[in-house]
Amino acid sequence: AQKITQTQPGMFVQEKEAVTLDCTYDTSDQSYGLFWYKQPSSGEMIFLIYQGSYDEQNATEGRYSLNFQKARKSANLVISASQLGDSAMYFCAMRDQGGSEKLVFGKGTKLTVNP
Amino acid sequence: ETGVTQTPRHLVMGMTNKKSLKCEQHLGHNAMYWYKQSAKKPLELMFVYSLEERVENNSVPSRFSPECPNSSHLFLHLHTLQPEDSALYLCASSQDSTRYNEQFFGPGTRLTVL
Repeated sequence: AQKITQTQPGMFVQEKEAVTLDCTYDTSDQSYGLFWYKQPSSGEMIFLIYQGSYDEQNATEGRYSLNFQKARKSANLVISASQLGDSAMYFCAMRDQGGSEKLVFGKGTKLTVNP
Repeated sequence: ETGVTQTPRHLVMGMTNKKSLKCEQHLGHNAMYWYKQSAKKPLELMFVYSLEERVENNSVPSRFSPECPNSSHLFLHLHTLQPEDSALYLCASSQDSTRYNEQFFGPGTRLTVL
């Protein structure tokens, strides 16, 4: 069974600094996809970034980058130049790319950006 | 309207009530999902519909009954719920042909069962 582990229940960062949110995963599949979502207090889950298991380069989307270490089964999210609006819950998720549409989510990390 | 919308945003119901949650996607997607988000627990996938056909049902109690009349609408019918069913219910949609097949989520319905 697939499993996602986010070991940081809460993280604090100063505005304009970078922060890394940890995510490790467990799967026996060779082909899979990793996602990060942001959930503000409004409740909506917002897609941030995606990394495929066969992608050779780390994914980047604006201020978001994914530090993908396949051998260690980790997919940490790096947010550069933090903004107050980045304060939210962040969820790591994995999808089996064998055809299933199922996403497995971690418990999330609550990020607070301090001014 | 754009994206994925959900109504109502908040719902309080007694254990003997019958209510329905509605989800609508305006993205032309072909798959829709119901998730349950309880406090301090990971999101739990409840149901998956692809091309209006249910393809996954994660051992959800029968007091939750999904309905997908067309590819744009998804309902979750609720009856005789329990207090532990109180949670945020999120709807999502996706399209196979997008680059990552990422799921787009609605704002959720905050359900409280008394």
